[in-house]
Amino acid sequence: DGGITQSPKYLFRKEGQNVTLSCEQNLNHDAMYWYRQDPGQGLRLIYYSQIVNDFQKGDIAEGYSVSREKKESFPLTVTSAQKNPTAFYLCASTPGQTDQPQHFGDGTRLSIL
Amino acid sequence: EDQVTQSPEALRLQEGESSSLNCSYTVSGLRGLFWYRQDPGKGPEFLFTLYSAGEEKEKERLKATLTKKESFLHITAPKPEDSATYLCAVRFTGANSKLTFGKGITLSVRP
Repeated sequence: DGGITQSPKYLFRKEGQNVTLSCEQNLNHDAMYWYRQDPGQGLRLIYYSQIVNDFQKGDIAEGYSVSREKKESFPLTVTSAQKNPTAFYLCASTPGQTDQPQHFGDGTRLSIL
Repeated sequence: EDQVTQSPEALRLQEGESSSLNCSYTVSGLRGLFWYRQDPGKGPEFLFTLYSAGEEKEKERLKATLTKKESFLHITAPKPEDSATYLCAVRFTGANSKLTFGKGITLSVRP
């Protein structure tokens, strides 16, 4: 079945450490997105990419970086510059037509050791 | 500024007690409104897309409606398995493919 796979499901970060969250999709979707979800807040957009080798900052990009070298993959790196990284991270994708709904993976929960 | 507000924050219903969840928005132009269901520890699951005022979509016990300023998710005779957080998201004119999400409504249905 087609879908979006996020890994790992749980991740722990030490002080000063960079960590990378994986997002892979086999839906042949052009656009991919990273969101952060905190308790009591709506999903907030970190980065998005509408085509391979191109990506744009979302509303809260500081302390994060991404790459889009392949259509099916959009990894997110949480750098040591992100001072409050504890959150639930969600990856999503859409087909080329931008009026289509976004489809989500099952998330990665990142915690600080 | 384009905004999305969901109400109430939480709703507790008895099994079979019908109700509605609200999503209101202030926008310069609407390109689409999306409803999602999210279970604890999972990603949001797509339910409905609405594109224009007057449009309605239905699936099992759920029915979504849209006006020029708000959307309702009506739940008819809910069951305990309908317990989840329901998210509303809006795509505004000029926002490319970006979505703006509300904070969600946590629904609990007691047997």
